[in-house]
Amino acid sequence: DVKVTQSSRYLVKRTGEKVFLECVQDMDHENMFWYRQDPGLGLRLIYFSYDVKMKEKGDIPEGYSVSREKKERFSLILESASTNQTSMYLCASSLWASSYEQYFGPGTRLTVT
Amino acid sequence: AQSVTQLDSQVPVFEEAPVELRCNYSSSVSVYLFWYVQYPNQGLQLLLKYLSGSTLVKGINGFEAEFNKSQTSFHLRKPSVHISDTAEYFCAVSEGAQKLVFGQGTRLTINP
Repeated sequence: DVKVTQSSRYLVKRTGEKVFLECVQDMDHENMFWYRQDPGLGLRLIYFSYDVKMKEKGDIPEGYSVSREKKERFSLILESASTNQTSMYLCASSLWASSYEQYFGPGTRLTVT
Repeated sequence: AQSVTQLDSQVPVFEEAPVELRCNYSSSVSVYLFWYVQYPNQGLQLLLKYLSGSTLVKGINGFEAEFNKSQTSFHLRKPSVHISDTAEYFCAVSEGAQKLVFGQGTRLTINP
């Protein structure tokens, strides 16, 4: 079974802090994704990566950056956390040319106070 | 760009009743279509997918969906729901290279 893990289930940070969310997948997938999930808005894509050291902006990249130094690990960085970044963050991965099916981690619920 | 509309934000039904969760997407070109389920405090897991072939797709837990190209719809159905089906359901459509676009989600609540 594909396993996608996220470093924290719950996280509380203060406004202005730098926040790191880590995601690791164990199935050698090329593609990795970061989404945020908010009630009534579904999942919105923040960033994605097709390969190591490659990244592309999604629909809502403002206020976020990412890092992919190893194939299995994809990090989301909030440079200076703000209260409007309080949300559920979901990581996913998929195989290249695999009919787009994505596998999700359990999510990190981030609260910024 | 693709868009996905889930027509109901919340659907309450009684246990053992049938249910339909509606999904419409914007594109007329060939797409892949997915339904994912999210149980409380968990990530998303795949229920079923349409890639090609038969327009009726069967998934896990007794769910099925029908692809209708002319109406650009991919509605999810189950003939008899159980309390354990209480969850949020997301419809998704493929876009560009390797991406999925998700709908807003439908919260299914099963009442005893």
